[in-house]
Amino acid sequence: GQNIDQPTEMTATEGAIVQINCTYQTSGFNGLFWYQQHAGEAPTFLSYNVLDGLEEKGRFSSFLSRSKGYSYLLLKELQMKDSASYLCAVGTGANNLFFGTGTRLTVIP
Amino acid sequence: GAGVSQSPRYKVAKRGQDVALRCDPISGHVSLFWYQQALGQGPEFLTYFQNEAQLDKSGLPSDRFFAERPEGSVSTLKIQRTQQEDSAVYLCASSRPTGPEQYFGPGTRLTVT
Repeated sequence: GQNIDQPTEMTATEGAIVQINCTYQTSGFNGLFWYQQHAGEAPTFLSYNVLDGLEEKGRFSSFLSRSKGYSYLLLKELQMKDSASYLCAVGTGANNLFFGTGTRLTVIP
Repeated sequence: GAGVSQSPRYKVAKRGQDVALRCDPISGHVSLFWYQQALGQGPEFLTYFQNEAQLDKSGLPSDRFFAERPEGSVSTLKIQRTQQEDSAVYLCASSRPTGPEQYFGPGTRLTVT
């Protein structure tokens, strides 16, 4: 079977750093994706890792270890607007994405 | 508007009615995907098109669900004889030939009463 685990909820303080972890077991692997989704809105692409290591993009970084089936999303200098759900997804099969249930992040002042 | 658009944004249907949900992908995107997202859950894959060809429909939950993309651009997801468990947000996404990331539309929130 296929499974993605990520924490359901996290809370962090404005200006701080937060790390959202994701572990996966899937039947195929075409890359690990992170999406941001504000309530009632479409998921927005944040990052893509297909090789092991860290990808940095501004305040957001994403890490992948394929041998461990593990990824994390690192958000630095948190802003109130970063309050959203963060979805970990694995590319499987031809092209479709298998999503986790998402981590709801609340940024507090 | 260069993004993926979907219509209607909200749809209320009585149990047993048929519904049709429309998706306009980003121009030039050959791949198109449909996902179903229940409240508090991540999106779940329904079906995938490359141009007009439906290459994967393994996620469609029953034969009441049908999708088409006859000219390789606009796609329609049809649900026949809707049931209460069909209530969800239906998301459409498209992707470029050269990149793996999928760009999502705002979704259609379907409520079956």
